[in-house]
Amino acid sequence: DAGVIQSPRHEVTEMGQEVTLRCKPISGHDYLFWYRQTMMRGLELLIYFNNNVPIDDSGMPEDRFSAKMPNASFSTLKIQPSEPRDSAVYFCASRRTSGSETQYFGPGTRLLVL
Amino acid sequence: ELKVEQNPLFLSMQEGKNYTIYCNYSTTSDRLYWYRQDPGKSLESLFVLLSNGAVKQEGRLMASLDTKARLSTLHITAAVHDLSATYFCAVENNEKLTFGTGTRLTIIP
Repeated sequence: DAGVIQSPRHEVTEMGQEVTLRCKPISGHDYLFWYRQTMMRGLELLIYFNNNVPIDDSGMPEDRFSAKMPNASFSTLKIQPSEPRDSAVYFCASRRTSGSETQYFGPGTRLLVL
Repeated sequence: ELKVEQNPLFLSMQEGKNYTIYCNYSTTSDRLYWYRQDPGKSLESLFVLLSNGAVKQEGRLMASLDTKARLSTLHITAAVHDLSATYFCAVENNEKLTFGTGTRLTIIP
Protein backbone atom coordinates (compact mmCIF):
# COMPACT_ATOMS: atom_id res chain seq x y z
CA ASP A 1 0.00 0.00 0.00
CA ALA A 2 1.18 3.54 -0.77
CA GLY A 3 0.32 4.82 2.68
CA VAL A 4 -1.69 7.95 3.40
CA ILE A 5 -1.45 10.38 0.49
CA GLN A 6 -1.77 14.13 0.88
CA SER A 7 -1.76 16.92 -1.65
CA PRO A 8 -0.44 19.43 -2.18
CA ARG A 9 2.78 18.93 -0.22
CA HIS A 10 3.43 22.67 -0.11
CA GLU A 11 1.04 25.56 -0.50
CA VAL A 12 1.78 29.27 -0.45
CA THR A 13 -1.19 31.59 -0.65
CA GLU A 14 -2.21 35.11 0.21
CA MET A 15 -4.42 36.10 3.06
CA GLY A 16 -8.09 35.87 2.15
CA GLN A 17 -7.69 33.12 -0.41
CA GLU A 18 -9.39 29.75 -0.17
CA VAL A 19 -7.16 26.77 0.54
CA THR A 20 -8.13 23.13 0.00
CA LEU A 21 -6.04 20.29 1.38
CA ARG A 22 -6.62 16.75 0.21
CA CYS A 23 -6.13 13.33 1.74
CA LYS A 24 -6.43 9.75 0.58
CA PRO A 25 -6.39 7.30 3.50
CA ILE A 26 -4.97 3.81 3.42
CA SER A 27 -7.39 1.43 1.75
CA GLY A 28 -9.54 -0.41 4.27
CA HIS A 29 -9.05 2.13 7.04
CA ASP A 30 -12.32 3.37 8.46
CA TYR A 31 -11.00 6.22 10.62
CA LEU A 32 -9.54 9.44 9.21
CA PHE A 33 -8.02 12.24 11.26
CA TRP A 34 -6.87 15.78 10.44
CA TYR A 35 -4.12 17.32 12.59
CA ARG A 36 -2.30 20.62 12.60
CA GLN A 37 1.27 21.11 13.80
CA THR A 38 2.77 24.46 14.80
CA MET A 39 5.73 25.43 16.91
CA MET A 40 3.51 27.29 19.38
CA ARG A 41 0.71 24.75 19.82
CA GLY A 42 2.33 21.47 18.87
CA LEU A 43 0.17 18.74 17.33
CA GLU A 44 -3.58 19.29 17.58
CA LEU A 45 -6.44 17.13 16.41
CA LEU A 46 -8.84 19.17 14.28
CA ILE A 47 -11.51 16.66 13.30
CA TYR A 48 -11.98 12.95 12.74
CA PHE A 49 -14.28 10.77 10.69
CA ASN A 50 -15.49 7.21 11.11
CA ASN A 51 -16.91 5.49 8.04
CA ASN A 52 -17.01 8.88 6.28
CA VAL A 53 -19.09 10.50 9.04
CA PRO A 54 -17.62 13.40 11.06
CA ILE A 55 -17.55 12.30 14.68
CA ASP A 56 -15.79 15.08 16.54
CA ASP A 57 -14.93 18.52 15.13
CA SER A 58 -14.31 20.22 18.46
CA GLY A 59 -10.72 20.92 17.47
CA MET A 60 -11.63 22.95 14.39
CA PRO A 61 -10.43 26.44 15.27
CA GLU A 62 -13.29 28.44 13.79
CA ASP A 63 -15.93 28.60 11.11
CA ARG A 64 -13.35 29.35 8.46
CA PHE A 65 -12.35 25.70 8.64
CA SER A 66 -14.45 22.90 7.19
CA ALA A 67 -13.81 19.25 6.39
CA LYS A 68 -15.61 16.69 4.30
CA MET A 69 -15.27 13.03 3.50
CA PRO A 70 -17.50 12.26 0.51
CA ASN A 71 -16.30 8.65 0.26
CA ALA A 72 -13.99 6.17 1.93
CA SER A 73 -10.98 7.14 -0.14
CA PHE A 74 -11.03 10.92 -0.07
CA SER A 75 -11.23 13.79 2.39
CA THR A 76 -10.72 17.54 2.16
CA LEU A 77 -9.90 20.25 4.66
CA LYS A 78 -10.84 23.72 3.49
CA ILE A 79 -9.89 27.09 4.90
CA GLN A 80 -11.89 30.06 3.64
CA PRO A 81 -10.75 32.76 3.99
CA SER A 82 -7.18 31.92 4.99
CA GLU A 83 -5.21 34.02 7.48
CA PRO A 84 -1.47 34.17 8.28
CA ARG A 85 -2.08 32.42 11.62
CA ASP A 86 -3.28 29.37 9.70
CA SER A 87 0.28 28.77 8.54
CA ALA A 88 1.22 25.31 9.77
CA VAL A 89 1.81 21.73 8.69
CA TYR A 90 -1.47 19.85 8.26
CA PHE A 91 -1.35 16.09 8.62
CA CYS A 92 -3.92 13.52 7.68
CA ALA A 93 -3.85 10.13 9.41
CA SER A 94 -5.89 6.96 9.08
CA ARG A 95 -6.52 3.86 11.13
CA ARG A 96 -8.40 0.61 10.93
CA THR A 97 -10.76 -0.40 13.71
CA SER A 98 -8.68 -2.79 15.75
CA GLY A 99 -7.44 -3.20 19.28
CA SER A 100 -3.80 -2.69 18.46
CA GLU A 101 -3.78 -0.59 15.32
CA THR A 102 -1.79 2.61 15.20
CA GLN A 103 -2.64 5.78 13.34
CA TYR A 104 -0.65 6.11 10.12
CA PHE A 105 0.28 9.65 9.18
CA GLY A 106 0.57 11.13 5.73
CA PRO A 107 3.53 13.28 4.64
CA GLY A 108 1.73 16.50 5.53
CA THR A 109 0.93 19.73 3.71
CA ARG A 110 3.09 22.68 4.61
CA LEU A 111 0.86 25.77 4.36
CA LEU A 112 2.15 29.32 4.33
CA VAL A 113 -0.35 32.16 4.26
CA LEU A 114 1.20 35.53 3.45
CA GLU B 1 -9.25 17.93 29.84
CA LEU B 2 -6.55 15.41 29.14
CA LYS B 3 -3.03 16.76 29.59
CA VAL B 4 0.10 14.99 28.39
CA GLU B 5 3.50 16.08 29.65
CA GLN B 6 6.82 14.92 28.33
CA ASN B 7 10.23 15.48 29.79
CA PRO B 8 12.80 16.44 29.04
CA LEU B 9 11.94 18.74 26.14
CA PHE B 10 15.50 18.69 24.87
CA LEU B 11 18.07 15.99 25.33
CA SER B 12 21.65 15.84 24.13
CA MET B 13 23.41 12.60 24.77
CA GLN B 14 26.61 10.97 23.74
CA GLU B 15 26.72 7.94 21.57
CA GLY B 16 26.74 4.74 23.55
CA LYS B 17 24.90 6.17 26.56
CA ASN B 18 21.50 5.19 27.92
CA TYR B 19 18.65 7.53 28.68
CA THR B 20 14.91 7.64 29.34
CA ILE B 21 12.15 9.94 28.13
CA TYR B 22 9.11 10.27 30.38
CA CYS B 23 5.46 10.77 29.46
CA ASN B 24 2.88 11.59 32.13
CA TYR B 25 -0.82 11.96 31.45
CA SER B 26 -3.69 13.24 33.54
CA THR B 27 -6.63 10.85 33.00
CA THR B 28 -7.25 7.21 32.18
CA SER B 29 -6.67 6.34 28.58
CA ASP B 30 -7.47 3.63 26.05
CA ARG B 31 -3.94 3.27 24.71
CA LEU B 32 -0.64 5.10 24.44
CA TYR B 33 1.51 5.68 21.36
CA TRP B 34 5.10 6.66 20.74
CA TYR B 35 6.01 8.37 17.48
CA ARG B 36 9.24 9.59 15.94
CA GLN B 37 9.51 12.69 13.75
CA ASP B 38 12.58 13.68 11.75
CA PRO B 39 12.97 17.37 10.80
CA GLY B 40 10.56 18.33 8.04
CA LYS B 41 9.08 14.85 7.93
CA SER B 42 5.93 13.07 9.01
CA LEU B 43 5.32 11.03 12.14
CA GLU B 44 6.46 7.44 12.21
CA SER B 45 4.76 5.05 14.60
CA LEU B 46 7.13 3.30 17.00
CA PHE B 47 4.95 1.58 19.60
CA VAL B 48 1.35 1.12 20.66
CA LEU B 49 0.89 0.20 24.32
CA LEU B 50 -2.47 -1.20 25.28
CA SER B 51 -2.45 -2.30 28.89
CA ASN B 52 -0.81 -1.85 32.25
CA GLY B 53 2.66 -3.35 32.36
CA ALA B 54 2.97 -3.49 28.59
CA VAL B 55 6.55 -3.45 27.37
CA LYS B 56 7.65 -3.32 23.75
CA GLN B 57 11.12 -3.25 22.28
CA GLU B 58 12.48 -2.49 18.85
CA GLY B 59 16.21 -2.31 18.42
CA ARG B 60 17.67 0.19 20.89
CA LEU B 61 14.26 1.54 21.92
CA MET B 62 12.03 0.10 24.61
CA ALA B 63 8.68 1.51 25.72
CA SER B 64 6.70 0.66 28.83
CA LEU B 65 3.36 1.64 30.30
CA ASP B 66 2.20 1.98 33.91
CA THR B 67 -1.47 2.89 33.79
CA LYS B 68 -1.76 3.19 37.56
CA ALA B 69 0.93 5.85 37.65
CA ARG B 70 -0.27 7.25 34.29
CA LEU B 71 3.30 7.07 33.10
CA SER B 72 5.02 5.76 30.02
CA THR B 73 8.75 5.65 29.40
CA LEU B 74 10.84 5.39 26.26
CA HIS B 75 14.25 3.99 27.06
CA ILE B 76 17.18 4.39 24.70
CA THR B 77 20.02 1.93 25.01
CA ALA B 78 23.52 2.61 23.70
CA ALA B 79 22.42 5.56 21.60
CA VAL B 80 23.59 5.95 18.02
CA HIS B 81 23.44 9.01 15.77
CA ASP B 82 20.54 7.61 13.72
CA LEU B 83 18.28 7.97 16.74
CA SER B 84 18.49 11.77 16.61
CA ALA B 85 14.88 12.96 16.12
CA THR B 86 11.90 14.34 18.02
CA TYR B 87 9.93 11.74 19.96
CA PHE B 88 6.27 12.21 20.83
CA CYS B 89 4.03 10.29 23.13
CA ALA B 90 0.30 10.46 22.50
CA VAL B 91 -2.59 9.31 24.67
CA GLU B 92 -5.82 8.07 23.15
CA ASN B 93 -9.27 8.60 24.58
CA ASN B 94 -12.36 7.74 22.52
CA GLU B 95 -10.31 7.58 19.34
CA LYS B 96 -8.81 11.04 19.91
CA LEU B 97 -5.06 11.43 20.32
CA THR B 98 -3.61 14.09 22.61
CA PHE B 99 0.09 14.59 21.97
CA GLY B 100 2.85 15.53 24.34
CA THR B 101 5.14 18.44 23.58
CA GLY B 102 7.80 16.19 22.15
CA THR B 103 11.41 15.50 23.18
CA ARG B 104 14.07 16.66 20.78
CA LEU B 105 16.87 14.14 21.02
CA THR B 106 20.35 14.89 19.69
CA ILE B 107 23.00 12.20 19.75
CA ILE B 108 26.51 13.60 19.91
CA PRO B 109 29.42 11.53 18.54
